[in-house]
Amino acid sequence: KAGVTQTPRYLIKTRGQQVTLSCSPISGHRSVSWYQQTPGQGLQFLFEYFSETQRNKGNFPGRFSGRQFSNSRSEMNVSTLELGDSALYLCASSPRTSGNWGTDTQYFGPGTRLTVL
Amino acid sequence: QQQVKQSPQSLIVQKGGISIINCAYENTAFDYFPWYQQFPGKGPALLIAIRPDVSEKKEGRFTISFNKSAKQFSLHIMDSQPGDSATYFCAASGPGNQFYFGTGTSLTVIP
Repeated sequence: KAGVTQTPRYLIKTRGQQVTLSCSPISGHRSVSWYQQTPGQGLQFLFEYFSETQRNKGNFPGRFSGRQFSNSRSEMNVSTLELGDSALYLCASSPRTSGNWGTDTQYFGPGTRLTVL
Repeated sequence: QQQVKQSPQSLIVQKGGISIINCAYENTAFDYFPWYQQFPGKGPALLIAIRPDVSEKKEGRFTISFNKSAKQFSLHIMDSQPGDSATYFCAASGPGNQFYFGTGTSLTVIP
């Protein structure tokens, strides 16, 4: 099976702009989670989507949003970019079959490196 | 509040030695404890994971030790190799499937 793919791999934006990142999960995986990774904060959970619905949300401002499509692909959007948004954004997918609400293994993509100037 | 605390921040080990990374958690509802390995420019890759019904799990040179009463778990890398040089993250998850990660340990194995 192909792994989790993320596009683009690298992105440079300026303050005030907005950005959309894309994630394609492993085939058959229905859950997609997004994380922000920075040297100082480690991996911080942004949100999780399952069957096109946001199930969990981390402690990030409303400028960070996401969505999931019927084919489980997910997008993450950041509006009004700030310098502090520069980070590696990671997407992780997990199988999560319907009714299985227990803990599930997550598989990460390579990430999108966002630089805000 | 950091749900999972990881130490040390960095570790240097001689080739053939044992690398030990420790993590502690607070939430007793956590029931899944994975370790991830991350190389520069790559996403984290699942290395090994344990659930609290066992105290130890071994896969090749990698072993997780789990102490439920102390709310601690650790990763042991036996016969450490230069190719093991990477950043290691512990994590914990429970009902709701939200993962909490440690801050990472940068491991350097010296030839």
